[in-house]
Amino acid sequence: NAGVTQTPKFRVLKTGQSMTLLCAQDMNHEYMYWYRQDPGMGLRLIHYSVGEGTTAKGEVPDGYNVSRLKKQNFLLGLESAAPSQTSVYFCASRETVNQETQYFGPGTRLLVL
Amino acid sequence: DAKTTQPPSMDCAEGRAANLPCNHSTISGNEYVYWYRQIHSQGPQYIIHGLKNNETNEMASLIITEDRKSSTLILPHATLRDTAVYYCIVRVQNNAGNMLTFGGGTRLMVKP
Repeated sequence: NAGVTQTPKFRVLKTGQSMTLLCAQDMNHEYMYWYRQDPGMGLRLIHYSVGEGTTAKGEVPDGYNVSRLKKQNFLLGLESAAPSQTSVYFCASRETVNQETQYFGPGTRLLVL
Repeated sequence: DAKTTQPPSMDCAEGRAANLPCNHSTISGNEYVYWYRQIHSQGPQYIIHGLKNNETNEMASLIITEDRKSSTLILPHATLRDTAVYYCIVRVQNNAGNMLTFGGGTRLMVKP
């Protein structure tokens, strides 16, 4: 049981490039979340999903898109990366609405030059 | 979600109990107190949560005052691996889209 995994662990992009971050969970959780964390700051929610085929915007969704085609995977896309998107990205999953605990992945460090 | 206030940093000797306070004076009746921690360069980790009764699990104990305006997370025998930033979060349960709002947290340094 690997829990929540994220790929890649680290990436450097040039401004304007695109990329997709992959989050996978093997706990059969319904809910999945993408957060970003900037230095010295807390987490900010980008997008989330309450089930396969559904997505919703969080606190800071601009510049990002997401997809949840399979229950176990939640993809975060950057269509045209900007230096302001340099951050550490964390994915999390949660079993159901009655189970509040979120389980986090190890993070993806993204540097946009 | 109710606002929380935590001291920015604390030290604790290895093997001793670490008591981390949190003030949440504007908490409402249906809001729970959650504690997470984040070890350097890792994702946040759930520790414990409670509504009004004290709670204990294999990681920690949570003491909530009778008026629910403050709480204390207790790590009974701190180890060097408990060095992390500890976040106290107050939130309503059973909300699918409710994100975790992390404040500044308390940076706990466990020293040998």
